[in-house]
Amino acid sequence: EIVLTQSPGTVSLSPGERATLSCRASQSVSSSYLAWYQQKPGQAPRLLIYGASSRATGIPDRFSGSGSGTDFTLTISRLEPEDFAMYYCQQYGRSLWTFGQGTKVEIK
Amino acid sequence: QLQLQESGPGLVKPSETLSLTCSVSGGSISSNSYYWGWIRQPPGKGLEWIGSIYYSGGTYYSPSLKSRVTMSVDTSKNQFSLKLRSVTAADTAVYYCARPNPYDFHFDNWGQGTLVTVSS
Repeated sequence: EIVLTQSPGTVSLSPGERATLSCRASQSVSSSYLAWYQQKPGQAPRLLIYGASSRATGIPDRFSGSGSGTDFTLTISRLEPEDFAMYYCQQYGRSLWTFGQGTKVEIK
Repeated sequence: QLQLQESGPGLVKPSETLSLTCSVSGGSISSNSYYWGWIRQPPGKGLEWIGSIYYSGGTYYSPSLKSRVTMSVDTSKNQFSLKLRSVTAADTAVYYCARPNPYDFHFDNWGQGTLVTVSS
């Protein structure tokens, strides 16, 4: 089973700043099968990025994904007030899905 | 537009079986190549994949829950279901049903989630 470790656990930033979130896998993950989600309190997760770098429909271009192998990154270029939330990475491999433990982006 | 809706008891006693159903509208559950999945989130914690079932009935479960989980599909009702046996307080969570994309396996359709509390 592939374990995803996200860092940092919490990041405190101001609106307009850049956020860089990391997702590290215990084994190599196909880039096609790495996704990122945003979750706000009381809501279901919202798909942001799939295939490591493709934005989902309606996702602003300030969100970008990159990486390969065991190291993946979600970047938010300029934080908007609505971007302060939890972020999760997720992978699929050998008929198993796993999620990272999440990174909280909070207002500084 | 595909919509998923979870339903089931909000309170389950310890040692009993948690049973949830996900009703699918806006699409057929028996469409080729689709998986259907369950994910849960304990209060204040992260997301945990429970398992996925293929449209034809093949099942895939999280290794940590495999011994207690059964998933099934009811094509006549356009629903799929989750049973989790021998529950404890640690199984208290919001349970989501979701559909993974058939090509990239990300979850692109989610239900709103339902809170299940395990308590006597």
